[in-house]
Amino acid sequence: QVHLQGSGPGLVKPSETLSLICTVSGGSLSSSNYYWGWFRQVPGKGLEWIASIYFSGTTYYNPSLQSRVTISLDTSKNQFSLRLSSVTAADTAVYYCASKDYDILTTYKYWGQGTLVTVSS
Amino acid sequence: EVVMTQSPATLFVSPGERATLSCRASQSVGSNLAWYQQKPGQAPRLLVYGASTRATGIPARFSGSGSGTEFTLTISSLQSEDFALYYCHQYYNWPPMYTFGQGTKLEIK
Repeated sequence: QVHLQGSGPGLVKPSETLSLICTVSGGSLSSSNYYWGWFRQVPGKGLEWIASIYFSGTTYYNPSLQSRVTISLDTSKNQFSLRLSSVTAADTAVYYCASKDYDILTTYKYWGQGTLVTVSS
Repeated sequence: EVVMTQSPATLFVSPGERATLSCRASQSVGSNLAWYQQKPGQAPRLLVYGASTRATGIPARFSGSGSGTEFTLTISSLQSEDFALYYCHQYYNWPPMYTFGQGTKLEIK
């Protein structure tokens, strides 16, 4: 079973870059069996997909965030990361990392515990 | 973008009774529809994918149905641990542009 643990600063200043890391166990980022993704949830609101990445390095982004987002892999550490630039208060949310099997018939099954990031000066 | 609309926003049901949650897509998503359960302070938990396939370890009282634009999650006999938020989620598009419904809160009547 894949286990994901997100980490990163809980407070980011406006206009700065939010950086989060997801450490994976029970599954290899070098494996063709998985996609890896980031989602977020504004407190009290619904879920929003941010970005996904495959072991090959192929990336997919939500068009509404694409200009500010980068997702990347560090296979040596079995981690993947999220960078979101030029943050504002609207980016305050719980950020989740997650994984899905390669099978196109399924979706994200394993989720990290979530990291609350507050954007404030 | 495929817009997912869930109804009702809040559903009051007594323990032991059946709950029926609805989800509508703004365009066909085939069977690429999942349901998640979320409790306060926790990550979403995948219940159903492929519109009707229960994820590993999910009790048989949870069942999903539908295809195209209309979907339903039914919980046949509510247990105390089932009172939570439920989200539908479409993963039809490729390249992906995943979207979620706004959620249905299942509350004790």
